[in-house]
Amino acid sequence: DAGVTQSPTHLIKTRGQQVTLRCSPKSGHDTVSWYQQALGQGPQFIFQYYEEEERQRGNFPDRFSGHQFPNYSSELNVNALLLGDSALYLCASSLRFETTYEQYFGPGTRLTVT
Amino acid sequence: GNSVTQMEGPVTLSEEAFLTINCTYTATGYPSLFWYVQYPGEGLQLLLKATKADDKGSNKGFEATYRKETTSFHLEKGSVQVSDSAVYFCALSPSGPNQKVTFGTGTKLQVIP
Repeated sequence: DAGVTQSPTHLIKTRGQQVTLRCSPKSGHDTVSWYQQALGQGPQFIFQYYEEEERQRGNFPDRFSGHQFPNYSSELNVNALLLGDSALYLCASSLRFETTYEQYFGPGTRLTVT
Repeated sequence: GNSVTQMEGPVTLSEEAFLTINCTYTATGYPSLFWYVQYPGEGLQLLLKATKADDKGSNKGFEATYRKETTSFHLEKGSVQVSDSAVYFCALSPSGPNQKVTFGTGTKLQVIP
């Protein structure tokens, strides 16, 4: 049973560029959440997708956008990159109606903005 | 809003020592509570969870009890090993489907032989 996978593993971009990160959820899961983890900090919620729509959003600017595909995989897009966007981006998947709301995390994508 | 406060690290212990990492939370209602572990260079792994008051979550020798009266969920282990060295995150999720998870800032544990 494949767990949550993310690509790429590492990415280096320059300020002002745009980036797309990808996530495939654990088999059987229909909900994907994205988190940003700055160095030495806990993950911060960016947004959550299910049924191909953004359902919840954290305190992140509109430069951060996403998409969910019919196969439940998801993308995170960040436009006009800033140095402060350098972080580990984590994807987590879950099953929408699972009552204990257990999330499974991928290994993350390390984004460095120079 | 919801928040999680956990003790600052790093925590350095000798092998076989007793571990406690404190965690308190602020939330309305009855959230689910979690401990996640992050090994160097890796993503987060769920260590244990508790979904209602007085529940005890346990896994790999780690335990935590959901204390509603003190809004706490302290992580304990009776005898740590070098392989337990990692960053530990306390987290909560409000009741109801697909609520976002709020994490603490993490506590780094280093176990020395």
